[in-house]
Amino acid sequence: AQTVTQSQPEMSVQEAETVTLSCTYDTSESDYYLFWYKQPPSRQMILVIRQEAYKQQNATENRFSVNFQKAAKSFSLKISDSQLGDAAMYFCAYRRRAGNMLTFGGGTRLMVKP
Amino acid sequence: DTGVSQDPRHKITKRGQNVTFRCDPISEHNRLYWYRQTLGQGPEFLTYFQNEAQLEKSRLLSDRFSAERPKGSFSTLEIQRTEQGDSAMYLCASSPLNSHTNTGELFFGEGSRLTVL
Repeated sequence: AQTVTQSQPEMSVQEAETVTLSCTYDTSESDYYLFWYKQPPSRQMILVIRQEAYKQQNATENRFSVNFQKAAKSFSLKISDSQLGDAAMYFCAYRRRAGNMLTFGGGTRLMVKP
Repeated sequence: DTGVSQDPRHKITKRGQNVTFRCDPISEHNRLYWYRQTLGQGPEFLTYFQNEAQLEKSRLLSDRFSAERPKGSFSTLEIQRTEQGDSAMYLCASSPLNSHTNTGELFFGEGSRLTVL
């Protein structure tokens, strides 16, 4: 079974600074997707960024980028120029390409200090 | 609003009562999922539909839980004889089946929070 681990229950960053959230996963598959989702308080979960395992190039979406290390099964999220609106729970998730569901990590609460 | 909608947003009930949640997915999405999320934890998969067929169920889905998607559109999740341990956020998500439009992403609703007293 696939597992996703987020080892940082909470992280804090100063506004305008950069923060990196960690995620590791365990799978025997070679073709899969990885995702970072953001869940603001009392709001719905929204996709931040996705990575396809067969792509070696790290995904980037504006201020958000990932460091995907397939051999190490590591998938960290870097948030640059942090903004107050980035404060939320962040969940790392895995899905087999041929699979039907996402497996989530336990989440990291990100606090942004003004 | 063309996103995933869930109703009710919050339900408070007494132990032993039955509750039902409804999910309306994005209209062109064939796949529908139910997840459960307890406070401070990541969502846990409960069940999955492709059109009207329930194709996968988690071991978390005890016999007190039943989910339906009768016409392949909206879905309901019923919990019978609720227990305090059922208190959680119940999330619905949908995704397209078509491989050309399916990016692997799930689109989530805002959730239905259940509190069992």
